[in-house]
Amino acid sequence: SAVISQKPSRDICQRGTSLTIQCQVDSQVTMMFWYRQQPGQSLTLIATANQGSEATYESGFVIDKFPISRPNLTFSTLTVSNMSPEDSSIYLCSVGTGEQPQHFGDGTRLSIL
Amino acid sequence: AQTVTQSQPEMSVQEAETVTLSCTYDTSESDYYLFWYKQPPSRQMILVIRQEAYKQQNATENRFSVNFQKAAKSFSLKISDSQLGDAAMYFCAYRSAFLGGRDDKIIFGKGTRLHILP
Repeated sequence: SAVISQKPSRDICQRGTSLTIQCQVDSQVTMMFWYRQQPGQSLTLIATANQGSEATYESGFVIDKFPISRPNLTFSTLTVSNMSPEDSSIYLCSVGTGEQPQHFGDGTRLSIL
Repeated sequence: AQTVTQSQPEMSVQEAETVTLSCTYDTSESDYYLFWYKQPPSRQMILVIRQEAYKQQNATENRFSVNFQKAAKSFSLKISDSQLGDAAMYFCAYRSAFLGGRDDKIIFGKGTRLHILP
């Protein structure tokens, strides 16, 4: 199974700033997924990142707020822009398609003051 | 659109006993995958077990087994001989078997928090 490294593991940020979360996979994957988990809630998909094309965003999430990069087959970043307290969540990246189960990074716990 | 429902927000079980977590889903597709994930306080998402919809046989992984009822769209998780380390949030999840783009995304239920009583 894929090994996923996610950085940072946690951060505390000021309102109005931006934070970029990195996700590194130990094997080449076509698709990477970014999820948000608000406190006490389930996981909600933010977007799907396919190498070489624009990310596909789910309803309620926009590129200006959550820009995603996917420069190669093993790496992706998610930026949380112009942060507000409502953005305080755990953000997780994951990989896995088809018959393969999805594997997750350890997540980034983000707190906004 | 597919949905996943977990109707038990919290459950408790005595150590060494057996507990069953419920999950129902709604889909118009005939081929798909179902998963149970465990999320302990460390927040890591750990795959517990998975089931392919085309397989009639229920999946089993050591103390974990599922009761997959395709017609009823039900996918419950049974944990036998519960251990303190089983305490976690458990998420039922669905993924379409049709490949390509957003169809590969996983849809999660709201989760069931499992407490193990010593």
